[in-house]
Formats: sequence, C-alpha cells, structure tokens
Amino acid sequence: AQRVTQPEKLLSVFKGAPVELKCNYSYSGSPELFWYVQYSRQRLQLLLRHISRESIKGFTADLNKGETSFHLKKPFAQEEDSAMYYCALSGRGGGADGLTFGKGTHLIIQP
Amino acid sequence: DVKVTQSSRYLVKRTGEKVFLECVQDMDHENMFWYRQDPGLGLRLIYFSYDVKMKEKGDIPEGYSVSREKKERFSLILESASTNQTSMYLCASSRFGVGTEAFFGQGTRLTVV
Repeated sequence: AQRVTQPEKLLSVFKGAPVELKCNYSYSGSPELFWYVQYSRQRLQLLLRHISRESIKGFTADLNKGETSFHLKKPFAQEEDSAMYYCALSGRGGGADGLTFGKGTHLIIQP
Repeated sequence: DVKVTQSSRYLVKRTGEKVFLECVQDMDHENMFWYRQDPGLGLRLIYFSYDVKMKEKGDIPEGYSVSREKKERFSLILESASTNQTSMYLCASSRFGVGTEAFFGQGTRLTVV
C-alpha cells in the first residue's frame, strides 16, 4: 500500500528564515511526487512536481529514493508563504488512480 | 483559465437524506476524482473515474456512490447521509499522463444534522 507521511502538523518560522517541510513516502515502484498548497480561502493548487525539477515561488524539492523523501525547501521564508501544504504521491502512470495525500503541514510565517 | 466547478459551496442536510454533489470541468480531462478533506486527516480519495461510465473505489468509498454519464461531469452521491459524513468535499480532474497536474474545485462544505 502506498503512504505519504508529513510528520509536522504545524510549522512556524520567522520571515527570512529557511523553511523545510518534511515528506516521506512508502511505495514499492517508481512514484510521482507532488507538493500542493492551499492558501487561505483559495482552492488547492499544485506547487511543484518532482518530474519537472523546477523551482516555484522559491521552493524546491528533491526526490531522494534512498531515503524515500521529498522534502520541500525554501531558503528565505516570506509572509505570503503561510498556507497549508500537502505532499502527494501518484503510484501508477497516467495518474488515473488519483493521488495519495499526506495529512498536511500548516506553515505559519511570523513577521 | 481552467475550471473545476462544484455546484454548491455550502450544504446542510438531514440525517438519512440522499445528497447529490455535482462537479463539472471544462478542460476535457479524462480523470475525475472526489476527495474529502478533514482537519488532521488530509485528503482521502472516495471514488475516481478515468472515463465516461467508468468508476473505481478509492480509499473510503463506504456510504458513497458516483455517476459519470458525461465526460465533463462527475457526481458524488450520499445514499443516506450520516453525521460522520460532515466534511469538506473536493472534486478534481486531470489529464491522463505521467506527472499531470490535478485541478481542484473550490470545495463543498457539507453539514449533516
């Protein structure tokens, strides 16, 4: 069975400090990993995906198959980064069977 | 601008009622999904569909059914609503393909009293 674990329910950091949101997964094959974000009163939206190897809004995430991790990082947090962040996994090619989500981390950036 | 639209933002229903949640997407996506979102539990997949008239159970299908008669529309049905089905329900759609993005609706907050 596939599983996504986000160990922190809440993470609070000061503006300008580095941010790391942890994500570990369990899957026997080659997974596709994503980070989704939900800002206050907005719909859930894609932040980034490992297959694209891109940086979005200063965030990056590297897939580490040895540690089965996909941690989200940003070197300097901004107040507008405050949101709910979900790590997600797609186990089969094509994405037809949906995403398995972690329980989410609420990130709060203190001024 | 891509759109996934859920028919209701808020719903209040009585225990035992049959409840329909509607979702429409305008992106010609093959895949459609229904999740429920609960604090501390994240998003959990209820049902999904990869084609018209096709449906598959997700992780928590009990007490729910779905209908997909047209490609753009995916309906979630609560056969007999119960208080433990009070939740935020999210519809999503995606293209078939590796690493494709899922687009979400704005959510329906259902309260069963």
